[in-house]
Amino acid sequence: AQTVTQSQPEMSVQEAETVTLSCTYDTSESDYYLFWYKQPPSRQMILVIRQEAYKQQNATENRFSVNFQKAAKSFSLKISDSQLGDAAMYFCAYRSRTSGTYKYIFGTGTRLKVLA
Amino acid sequence: DAGVIQSPRHEVTEMGQEVTLRCKPISGHDYLFWYRQTMMRGLELLIYFNNNVPIDDSGMPEDRFSAKMPNASFSTLKIQPSEPRDSAVYFCASSGTINQPQHFGDGTRLSIL
Repeated sequence: AQTVTQSQPEMSVQEAETVTLSCTYDTSESDYYLFWYKQPPSRQMILVIRQEAYKQQNATENRFSVNFQKAAKSFSLKISDSQLGDAAMYFCAYRSRTSGTYKYIFGTGTRLKVLA
Repeated sequence: DAGVIQSPRHEVTEMGQEVTLRCKPISGHDYLFWYRQTMMRGLELLIYFNNNVPIDDSGMPEDRFSAKMPNASFSTLKIQPSEPRDSAVYFCASSGTINQPQHFGDGTRLSIL
């Protein structure tokens, strides 16, 4: 069974600085998706970025980028020029493309604090 | 687009009562998911539908939980009878094709006293 691990329960970053959130996963599959979701205090889950495993190029969305290391099964999120609005829980998630299931497996989350 | 709409946003009720949570997916989305989020267990998938048909309900914790999707624009998650350990935030999410990401609603915070 697939697992997703976020080993940092909480991180802090100074406004305008860069922070990296870690995520590792375990799977025997070769084709899958990886996601980062943001959950602000408003509670809504917001998709931040998505990576397809067959793509070697790291996904980027404005100030958000990932470092996808397929062999190491690592998928970290880098937030550049951190803003106060980035403060939230961040969840890493995995979804198979080959097993015939559409289940997402989420990590336990990392709470990001942004200091003014 | 209005996004995924869940109601109610908050529900407080006494144990033993029936609870019904509602979800309206994004129009045109073929997949609908129900999740439960707790501090202890994180975000867990309970069940998901494709074209109104339940595909995988292996995450439904007990027979007290049931979910229906009578049409493409509406789904319910029902707990009967409710127990204090059911207290959690319940999310509904929808997705278009199988390769598109999920869009989440704002969740329903359920408290069972």
